[in-house]
Amino acid sequence: DAKTTQPPSMDCAEGRAANLPCNHSTISGNEYVYWYRQIHSQGPQYIIHGLKNNETNEMASLIITEDRKSSTLILPHATLRDTAVYYCIVINNAGNMLTFGGGTRLMVKP
Amino acid sequence: SAVISQKPSRDICQRGTSLTIQCQVDSQVTMMFWYRQQPGQSLTLIATANQGSEATYESGFVIDKFPISRPNLTFSTLTVSNMSPEDSSIYLCSVFHGTGDGYTFGSGTRLTVV
Repeated sequence: DAKTTQPPSMDCAEGRAANLPCNHSTISGNEYVYWYRQIHSQGPQYIIHGLKNNETNEMASLIITEDRKSSTLILPHATLRDTAVYYCIVINNAGNMLTFGGGTRLMVKP
Repeated sequence: SAVISQKPSRDICQRGTSLTIQCQVDSQVTMMFWYRQQPGQSLTLIATANQGSEATYESGFVIDKFPISRPNLTFSTLTVSNMSPEDSSIYLCSVFHGTGDGYTFGSGTRLTVV
């Protein structure tokens, strides 16, 4: 199963875009990239996912490189409530998610 | 996506005792998982709860310590047995819906062993 690498922490000014990178260089062709976030040790919350095309929803945008070896989660206008740990993980159709990386602790500052 | 109810939300337990955590899903799901999150750490998969058969445990986790039940497609329990302070963690259940919706997680059980 593919593993992911993320920076341990990032800061972002309130109102600015937060760009969170993720490296998944060993991703397989049938594996999707998923992003979750965890606030105050609650259960992780789904944000967005994609296979190879860029995706956008009401929460965020996901940019996946053409070779699929890395991706970037974009929160277009970060708020203080976006302060959380963000996890990038890869999942195949069988749902085998064995590796949950360290995530990025995003601190949004006023 | 499914809604998961996890109980209890937190507990403080004595060393040597056992705690059973319940996970109820509002729809039938094939794949259900149990995770542990130690303080300041990421999530670690404990086991996959299989309906009608024994759970599949990850390396470092054993059935005697973490027995799991899965009597039907909407319910599972995880027991933390013979607890020690090292078992103090957040325990989370999760279900997989397929690559359309991915995983949904319960709100977690914060366990403190004293």
